[in-house]
Parts: sequence; C-alpha cells; structure tokens
Amino acid sequence: EAEVAQSPRYKITEKSQAVAFWCDPISGHATLYWYRQILGQGPELLVQFQDESVVDDSQLPKDRFSAERLKGVDSTLKIQPAELGDSAMYLCASSFNRGKGYEQFFGPGTRLTVL
Amino acid sequence: GQQLNQSPQSMFIQEGEDVSMNCTSSSIFNTWLWYKQDPGEGPVLLIALYKAGELTSNGRLTAQFGITRKDSFLNISASIPSDVGIYFCAPRANFGNEKLTFGTGTRLTIIP
Repeated sequence: EAEVAQSPRYKITEKSQAVAFWCDPISGHATLYWYRQILGQGPELLVQFQDESVVDDSQLPKDRFSAERLKGVDSTLKIQPAELGDSAMYLCASSFNRGKGYEQFFGPGTRLTVL
Repeated sequence: GQQLNQSPQSMFIQEGEDVSMNCTSSSIFNTWLWYKQDPGEGPVLLIALYKAGELTSNGRLTAQFGITRKDSFLNISASIPSDVGIYFCAPRANFGNEKLTFGTGTRLTIIP
C-alpha cells in the first residue's frame, strides 16, 4: 500500500542551528501539506502546495521557516535558525485532487527536539 | 474564529467496553473526518463523512455527521488493546483539498 515517506524520523538540534525535513508524498498526489503538532494538541497547517505552487502559507513563520516543492513531487521544510519553541512533531500529508479523493494521508512525522 | 470542541479529553476503559466521543463546532462544515494517532506516528484516517445525517461504519467503528452540520460523534464497540491512542475529529468547510482543522483529541486508555 502506498505511503507518505518522511525523514528523518527524529532530529535533535541546538537552538540557532538549521534543520531540514524531507517528505515524499504518495505517487500521483498533487497536493502536499506540512503540519506542525505540538505535544498534546492537534496538528496545525504550516504550508500547502498544489503541484509546485504554494496555495496557503499564512501560518508559516516566514522569518525562519521555508518550504519548497521544486518539481511538484517531494518537498523540503527548513527551519533556520531553530528556536526552543520549534520542538514539535512535523507531519507531512498528501492528497489526490479529484472527486472524493481529497482525503489527506499522513506520513509518520519527524519529531524535532531543540535544546 | 471557529471553535472546535472535542470531548471527552481522555477516557479510561476496560477491554470490551464501548466508547463514545464527539466533536462540536460553532461553524458549519461539509465534511467530517476522524483520525487515530498512535504515539510517535502520524494520524491515520478512520472514517470520512460527507453528508449531514450520514451514518458510516468501519468494522467496530461507527461515526455520524450531525444534522446541523456542526457536530459529529465516533463510537467504538467492544474495545480491544489496539484501540489505544488519540482520536481526532477534523472537519472541513468544503469538499476540496483545503486544510483540515483538528480537534483537541480524545486520548483512549484501556485499563488491564
């Protein structure tokens, strides 16, 4: 069964360092989402791509976060510099975009700890 | 902004018991989704509801889309150990590929 792949699964970094997360969506899924989940809360959207274009980055802290999906397939989310408050689970999801195929399927996430 | 309330926040039950949880909102939604998240993993889609009043089952899970379109409930019958986890409702205003708004989650624990 097709799955969303994410790496790394765990990342520990010191504040002020740069970190990057990678996501490979389910093949054929045109829409890709990055969510951030703080411990004890539900996921919240950071950025949404339709193919290679950003359609919603209203909740992305653009002073330190960036995201790209250059060829409309896999995507990278970067934080520079990392802050203590960035410690969270970063989830990638993808969806098809026809009929009822809008449902989002999530990857296993990257657990970030900033020291 | 919209308010999304999920209850209960946590449940402690014995194996074999039935479970019921719900989500209520101040806004109308056109889709209600229910996800389950295991510790350290991403959410997994359990049930999707697309029509007010719709009642849908997936094995021991049953979910309903409220008539007012402002609420939904999820029932689990005859709970088993693998049901442990956090359950999230995630409604959506439209039918398209827009972001999900997640509830606060219901943490289910099974007491031995």
